[in-house]
Parts: sequence; structure tokens; C-alpha cells
Amino acid sequence: LAKTTQPISMDSYEGQEVNITCSHNNIATNDYITWYQQFPSQGPRFIIQGYKTKVTNEVASLFIPADRKSSTLSLPRVSLSDTAVYYCLVPNLKAAGNKLTFGGGTRVLVKP
Amino acid sequence: NAGVTQTPKFQVLKTGQSMTLQCAQDMNHNSMYWYRQDPGMGLRLIYYSASEGTTDKGEVPNGYNVSRLNKREFSLRLESAAPSQTSVYFCASTERLAGDGFNIQYFGAGTRLSVL
Repeated sequence: LAKTTQPISMDSYEGQEVNITCSHNNIATNDYITWYQQFPSQGPRFIIQGYKTKVTNEVASLFIPADRKSSTLSLPRVSLSDTAVYYCLVPNLKAAGNKLTFGGGTRVLVKP
Repeated sequence: NAGVTQTPKFQVLKTGQSMTLQCAQDMNHNSMYWYRQDPGMGLRLIYYSASEGTTDKGEVPNGYNVSRLNKREFSLRLESAAPSQTSVYFCASTERLAGDGFNIQYFGAGTRLSVL
């Protein structure tokens, strides 16, 4: 199965850029990469999704190199409210079908 | 625009009691999921339903049963609750894109379950 690997935690300060890299060496040809954000006591919510190169929305940017074996979520100028757990999800459709499993996520703490 | 609705929000059970967690989505999604999240941990898949009429085991199915009642509703049942099942339970739904990939998953607010 396409297992994802992310750092367990990261600390940052308000106003800085935060980059979280997810490794997914066994990504399949038709797999998209999706990132979710989870605040304490809430369900995860979608941040961004991409297949290759760069995707940007009002919340974040997602960088995917040509080999697609990793992806980097970039959060520009973070604030205290960006403190959350961030999950990278690669479905591995070929092997797992509709079975969507999450890794441990990256706990981001933004300090004042 | 409700999205995914879970009931109840909180529940306290005694060991050995049974209960059913309810989940409903109004986005006409085919696929629905149940996850559990223990304190400080990530999400673990319990069961999922790729489409109405089908259910499959996830990573941690023991002690649980599910029912895909119709396209909207997917329930999770604990037949004999144990303290190890104390957790936050999240329901999610999604749609598989035509041919490739998945649309995004939408999650409910969760059910906080304590088993004493």
C-alpha cells in the first residue's frame, strides 16, 4: 500500500512560512494527493488537492515534483489559528480501492 | 447546507452496553467511512462503504458492526462496549471521480464516546 510519511511535529512563529513534506514513494499513476487540516475537537477539513506541479488556493500551496514521490504543503505567513494537525492522504486506488486511510499527521504549533 | 451530520455528539456508556452511532450525508455521495481517533493520535479507519449495499472492514474493525441503511445513512454499532473503545468517532463521505482519483472527504463533527 502507498504509505505516507510526514514529520510528527513542527513549531513555527507567527508570520513565518511553514512547509510540511509528505513522502509517498509508492504513489500510483492515478492517485491524487490531498491535504487535510484538523483543529482540536473538530473533524478534518480539506485544504488542497493536486496531481502534479503546483496548486495554489487562498489557504495554501501544494508543490509536487515530477516524480510525485513526495509533496510539500506550504502555509504562507501562519497565524496562531493555523495551529492544527495536517494530514497528507494518498489513496492508492490500485491496491486499496475505496479504502481511505490516514497516517499520523503533522502537529504544527504556531507560537506568538 | 448540512454536509455530514453525526448523532449523538456525546455519549457515556458502561462496559457491556450497546449503542449505535448515526451518520447521514446530504451530498449524494456514494462512499462513506467511519474513523476513530484516540487522544493525541491520528485517524484509524474502522469500516467503510464504497456504495449503497456494500461494506468493508478497515484497519480496526473488531468490536464494531456497520449498516449502510441507504445512500444517505451509515451507522456504526458497538454491540458490547469496552473501555478500549473510548474515543472520538468521525464519519466521512466522498465521491470517487469518474475514472481516477477521489473527490475530497467531508467529515462530521464527531461523536465523543466514553466507556466506563
